[in-house]
Amino acid sequence: DAKTTQPNSMESNEEEPVHLPCNHSTISGTDYIHWYRQLPSQGPEYVIHGLTSNVNNRMASLAIAEDRKSSTLILHRATLRDAAVYYCILRDVSGAGNMLTFGGGTRLMVKP
Amino acid sequence: DTEVTQTPKHLVMGMTNKKSLKCEQHMGHRAMYWYKQKAKKPPELMFVYSYEKLSINESVPSRFSPECPNSSLLNLHLHALQPEDSALYLCASSQAPPGRVVSNEQFFGPGTRLTVL
Repeated sequence: DAKTTQPNSMESNEEEPVHLPCNHSTISGTDYIHWYRQLPSQGPEYVIHGLTSNVNNRMASLAIAEDRKSSTLILHRATLRDAAVYYCILRDVSGAGNMLTFGGGTRLMVKP
Repeated sequence: DTEVTQTPKHLVMGMTNKKSLKCEQHMGHRAMYWYKQKAKKPPELMFVYSYEKLSINESVPSRFSPECPNSSLLNLHLHALQPEDSALYLCASSQAPPGRVVSNEQFFGPGTRLTVL
């Protein structure tokens, strides 16, 4: 699987937007970009995924660079409940698929 | 019901003990997974079951023995573990087995925190 690079940690103020970056310069054409997050003392949960176009759902937005070598997860209004480790994962659907290979992730801290 | 449950929440065992972790889902998912997560590290895949058959074993030592008695249940039998096996063990399920399904979201349980003395 292609590798992703994320900052170790980020800090945000409550009710402000948060932009979580992910670099994946070796992404292949069949790699989908997935984001999961892990709240304290819980298992990871799915956030969003995309291939080329920007995506929105009730939890977040995903902005994908035109060359697909980077992406940004956007939380529009951070809440204290959004404090978690956010994982950016590439999934190659041309092969076995659905294998989640977690990288280091970004620990998001939200200040009241 | 979109929940994956795991029991027990915490487990302390000696190196000579035999214990089992249990995972259950009632979403009709056909793939189930075991992950291991050490403190401050990301989860690492251990096993994958597809249609109740073991499809992937990520070179896990034989002291970990998975079992899938039916499509809703997944067990992890533990025997002769080492202190370095202490970790959070996460179970997950997905609607379809690994393959070319893009949005095959994995649902995770809260994990069992295992301590080996």
